[in-house]
Amino acid sequence: KNEVEQSPQNLTAQEGEFITINCSYSVGISALHWLQQHPGGGIVSLFMLSSGKKKHGRLIATINIQEKHSSLHITASHPRDSAVYICAVMDSNYQLIWGAGTKLIIKP
Amino acid sequence: NAGVTQTPKFQVLKTGQSMTLQCAQDMNHNSMYWYRQDPGMGLRLIYYSASEGTTDKGEVPNGYNVSRLNKREFSLRLESAAPSQTSVYFCASRWFQGDYEQYFGPGTRLTVT
Repeated sequence: KNEVEQSPQNLTAQEGEFITINCSYSVGISALHWLQQHPGGGIVSLFMLSSGKKKHGRLIATINIQEKHSSLHITASHPRDSAVYICAVMDSNYQLIWGAGTKLIIKP
Repeated sequence: NAGVTQTPKFQVLKTGQSMTLQCAQDMNHNSMYWYRQDPGMGLRLIYYSASEGTTDKGEVPNGYNVSRLNKREFSLRLESAAPSQTSVYFCASRWFQGDYEQYFGPGTRLTVT
């Protein structure tokens, strides 16, 4: 079993829909990262959080440390949000353990 | 600031050939990383350098060597390329080993035939 599980693996939605991507992990962590990988391959860090909730524009990330679960939400989704979203957790050695990613397609 | 740069962007090698992937960052970061990304899998850490002068193995170090040339540069060498090393390679850096964001280079797409 992978230490970081993301769901769904693939998600297709219509423009404007509210999107939720989930991340569950089984190890003790110091922080959790959400990253975005564009179709061209570049990887960009979206959030790093260790508790509660963070918001940036239309993106919201939450984490529940007790349940070992995090969610990434996108409000008013747009085709330019189409990308692979990756969850990664930082273990006690400050190394990142990566999820396999969720491929999101937003149709106009 | 250019951030994290990688060269080359694409490379095709024959089995047994060697090559070095170059990575440089201009953010004065102390820690640098090499990952590989294969279809359907998360990024896997090959080697990292927590600070200038140190390097350590990651999850999948076999077949690779690294050099932390100075604070800015961290290179990855394939001594004898194998088809199993066909992958996309990402270099990343962050301020320190710890709760800091990682910044990624654009990637190198390597094919070994």
